[in-house]
Amino acid sequence: EPEVTQTPSHQVTQMGQEVILRCVPISNHLYFYWYRQILGQKVEFLVSFYNNEISEKSEIFDDQFSVERPDGSNFTLKIRSTKLEDSAMYFCASSELGPYGYTFGSGTRLTVV
Amino acid sequence: AQTVTQSQPEMSVQEAETVTLSCTYDTSESDYYLFWYKQPPSRQMILVIRQEAYKQQNATENRFSVNFQKAAKSFSLKISDSQLGDAAMYFCAYRSAKRGSGSRLTFGEGTQLTVNP
Repeated sequence: EPEVTQTPSHQVTQMGQEVILRCVPISNHLYFYWYRQILGQKVEFLVSFYNNEISEKSEIFDDQFSVERPDGSNFTLKIRSTKLEDSAMYFCASSELGPYGYTFGSGTRLTVV
Repeated sequence: AQTVTQSQPEMSVQEAETVTLSCTYDTSESDYYLFWYKQPPSRQMILVIRQEAYKQQNATENRFSVNFQKAAKSFSLKISDSQLGDAAMYFCAYRSAKRGSGSRLTFGEGTQLTVNP
């Protein structure tokens, strides 16, 4: 069964450093997303991406965040200057149009120290 | 904005018994999709079941079924013949069917399900 692949599975970074989280969505999916989950809390939407541009973003997705689809397969989330409160599990997901649920990746656990 | 509420932070069930997890949502839209996701300790998000709001028939996937009450904005998940592998955090989620909405998922707070042997 096709899956969404995320790398790395765990990243530790120092406060103020830039991090790039990588994702390979399912190849025939058209929508791509990033979500985050702070430990013990609900899953929060960050951004959706369609047709090579951001289609929607949440209030969490400020100027410190950016997304890119640099080639035909990868989808990245960049955090320019990490803060302690950015520590969370970050999930990439992709979906087709219509009523289908997303397929989520296994997540990247980001720890900012 | 849409909101999703899961009022049961924790539930437990005996193996082989049936358990129902509650979910309510608030929306002004008439066309949308609802989902239940399972998150085991590995923290992978796994789709359990989905429901289109325009369908009156409740969705069923093997031991998992929903009770969708559109007027009451309620979407509960029933797990029959519970198994140890069902132990996980369960999230209810809403997605607009409106074109151009970006298709974000709005999640509830989650219900931690424990299955006792």
